[in-house]
Amino acid sequence: DAKTTQPPSMDCAEGRAANLPCNHSTISGNEYVYWYRQIHSQGPQYIIHGLKNNETNEMASLIITEDRKSSTLILPHATLRDTAVYYCIVNNARGADGLTFGKGTHLIIQP
Amino acid sequence: DSGVTQTPKHLITATGQRVTLRCSPRSGDLSVYWYQQSLDQGLQFLIQYYNGEERAKGNILERFSAQQFPDLHSELNLSSLELGDSALYFCASSVSGDGQPQHFGDGTRLSIL
Repeated sequence: DAKTTQPPSMDCAEGRAANLPCNHSTISGNEYVYWYRQIHSQGPQYIIHGLKNNETNEMASLIITEDRKSSTLILPHATLRDTAVYYCIVNNARGADGLTFGKGTHLIIQP
Repeated sequence: DSGVTQTPKHLITATGQRVTLRCSPRSGDLSVYWYQQSLDQGLQFLIQYYNGEERAKGNILERFSAQQFPDLHSELNLSSLELGDSALYFCASSVSGDGQPQHFGDGTRLSIL
């Protein structure tokens, strides 16, 4: 699986949009981009995933560049409860194999 | 609530002992994955089962084993426990295929004394 690069930490003001970048320059054509977050020691929570097109759900939006070498997760109106470690992961479309978690981005929402 | 159930939530035992962690996947999910999260290693994939068969192996120690039963629940067996096995153990499940995401349970916190 391709590796990803994320900033170790970011701050965002409550109520503002949080934009979390991820680089995955070696992504293969059949690999999806997944975003998860982990709040303290809870189980990782699935946020969103995509292959080529931009995606939006009730939690977030995912913007994938045309060359698929990078992506941005957008939390439109961050709240204090969005403080967590966010992981960007690429994985094969077959859906098999484990996810490779890096160190992620520690997002801190400031009141 | 992800729909993935793990029991027990906490487990305290001693070195050399054996424990079993249990996972019930989301309804309809055929794949089960086990992960270990320790302070120094982060979240690591251990093993995957699909519809009762082992499908992928990660960094799983020989002292650890898993199985998936006909009703699709899974158990992770840890034996000859060492202090370094203290960690959070997460189970995840997915439909598998077509890029569908994995959904994680709340984990079992294992403490070795």
